[in-house]
Amino acid sequence: ETGVTQSPTHLIKTRGQQVTLRCSSQSGHNTVSWYQQALGQGPQFIFQYYREEENGRGNFPPRFSGLQFPNYSSELNVNALELDDSALYLCASSPRTGYQETQYFGPGTRLLVL
Amino acid sequence: AQTVTQSQPEMSVQEAETVTLSCTYDTSESDYYLFWYKQPPSRQMILVIRQEAYKQQNATENRFSVNFQKAAKSFSLKISDSQLGDAAMYFCAYRSANTGNQFYFGTGTSLTVIP
Repeated sequence: ETGVTQSPTHLIKTRGQQVTLRCSSQSGHNTVSWYQQALGQGPQFIFQYYREEENGRGNFPPRFSGLQFPNYSSELNVNALELDDSALYLCASSPRTGYQETQYFGPGTRLLVL
Repeated sequence: AQTVTQSQPEMSVQEAETVTLSCTYDTSESDYYLFWYKQPPSRQMILVIRQEAYKQQNATENRFSVNFQKAAKSFSLKISDSQLGDAAMYFCAYRSANTGNQFYFGTGTSLTVIP
């Protein structure tokens, strides 16, 4: 069984640029959530995707957007990057949407905005 | 929004000893799920243990067990017979059983295991 994978592992961008992060969900999982983890903090929920639709969103501005594909993989896009966007971005998948479901995390993408 | 508080930024334990990590949460809901996740230096978050709020029995997974006190809104993690591989950041997380899809995480406790 393949776990959650993310790419790239590290990324350096400059302020104002755009970035796309990618996530492949664990085999058999159809729900993907994205989190931002600033240094020394716990993960903060960005949004969740289920059946290619956004299925819940945290307190993040619209310049954070996402996609989910028919194979359940997902992208996180961030426009107009700001210095505070520097963080570890975690993707988590679960077998289905539903409050009882545990989320399984990928290794993350470390984004540095200069 | 629910809040999760981990008041111990850092903890240390001697190898083979027992350590307890604290977590409290604030919610007005009666039905929810609680989790402990471990994040080693490699960064991948790993589920350690999970507790359903409607269950009175405390969850146990091998050397890991929880003390769930629903009235006190407390959810501590006990690690018995600590091993070097237990060294990591530990996060407590809350998920509603009724509303929303997100996990709410605490700020984490960094556990050091001393040989």
